[in-house]
Amino acid sequence: AQTVTQSQPEMSVQEAETVTLSCTYDTSESDYYLFWYKQPPSRQMILVIRQEAYKQQNATENRFSVNFQKAAKSFSLKISDSQLGDAAMYFCAYRSLRTGTASKLTFGTGTRLQVTL
Amino acid sequence: DTAVSQTPKYLVTQMGNDKSIKCEQNLGHDTMYWYKQDSKKFLKIMFSYNNKELIINETVPNRFSPKSPDKAHLNLHINSLELGDSAVYFCASSPPARMSYGYTFGSGTRLTVV
Repeated sequence: AQTVTQSQPEMSVQEAETVTLSCTYDTSESDYYLFWYKQPPSRQMILVIRQEAYKQQNATENRFSVNFQKAAKSFSLKISDSQLGDAAMYFCAYRSLRTGTASKLTFGTGTRLQVTL
Repeated sequence: DTAVSQTPKYLVTQMGNDKSIKCEQNLGHDTMYWYKQDSKKFLKIMFSYNNKELIINETVPNRFSPKSPDKAHLNLHINSLELGDSAVYFCASSPPARMSYGYTFGSGTRLTVV
């Protein structure tokens, strides 16, 4: 079974600075997808960025980018120019391309990001 | 229009009661899910339906019963509620995994059992 590990329960960053959230995963598959979700206090789950494992190029969405290291099974999220609205729980998630039971989205335990003035 | 809507948003009930949470999606997705988020924020899948067929049933007490009348709806019924059932329950939907999209989540239902 796939597992996702986020080793940083909490992180803090000053407004306008850059922060990197870590995520590692364990899988025997070669094709899969990785995601970062944001959960603000409103508790809505918001998709931040996704990465297809077959793509070598790291995904980027505005101020959010990832560092995907397939061999190391690492998938970190970098937030540049941090804003107060970035304060939230961030979840790393894995999804297999297989169907059925394997198609579930497996989440890490989350990292709470605090943004300070 | 809300893509995945679940009702109610908040539910406070006494131990032993039976309650239902409803979920509807208008995205045309074939697959829907129920996730439970505990007090430590951990998200764990409970059930998944694909075109009204149950495909994932994790280790969940049989007091929890999902029902999918059609592929746009997935409801969760809970019998004999216990204190430990208090959590946030999320409904979600997705296209097939090969399409590389993640899930679209509802806004969650905070269930409090007293």
